Amino acid sequence: EPEVTQTPSHQVTQMGQEVILRCVPISNHLYFYWYRQILGQKVEFLVSFYNNEISEKSEIFDDQFSVERPDGSNFTLKIRSTKLEDSAMYFCASSGQGEVGHTQYFGPGTRLTVL
Amino acid sequence: EDKVVQSPLSLVVHEGDTVTLNCSYEVTNFRSLLWYKQEKKAPTFLFMLTSSGIEKKSGRLSSILDKKELFSILNITATQTGDSAVYLCAVGSNSGYALNFGKGTSLLVTP
Repeated sequence: EPEVTQTPSHQVTQMGQEVILRCVPISNHLYFYWYRQILGQKVEFLVSFYNNEISEKSEIFDDQFSVERPDGSNFTLKIRSTKLEDSAMYFCASSGQGEVGHTQYFGPGTRLTVL
Repeated sequence: EDKVVQSPLSLVVHEGDTVTLNCSYEVTNFRSLLWYKQEKKAPTFLFMLTSSGIEKKSGRLSSILDKKELFSILNITATQTGDSAVYLCAVGSNSGYALNFGKGTSLLVTP
């Protein structure tokens, strides 16, 4: 069964460093998303991406964040100048077209630890 | 502001019990309600509900949506230890593609 994959599973970085989180969405999906979950809190939407551009973003997704689809398969989230409060689990998700409501399928996540 | 509230926040039951998890929502321009199971990491999709009164069923799990009263329930019958997880409710709006998640219900099934 096709699934969303993410790398790395765990990333440790120093405050102020840049990180790139990578995702390979399900191959025939057209919509891509990033969410994050701070430990003990709910899953929060960051951004959605369609047709090579951001279609929606939350207040959390400020200038520190950027997304890119560098080729036909990868979808990346870049966090510049990481802060302690960026420590969280980051989930990538994708959805296809034609399904009512566009069910989103999630990857296993990348745990980001900022020291 | 859109809101998704799940109850209870946590639940401990014995194997074989039946459980009912609740999700109420206030969302502008509702499109769909989704249930996910989160074990160690990734939320795993269970059900998507868009119409009132139509039960979705998969094995021992079932779910139904009430768009008039703005809630959904997830039922698990004959629970097993493998059902232990956090169950997440998320609501989508026609205003965009973001899912708005509740805090989840943590279910522990003891042998």
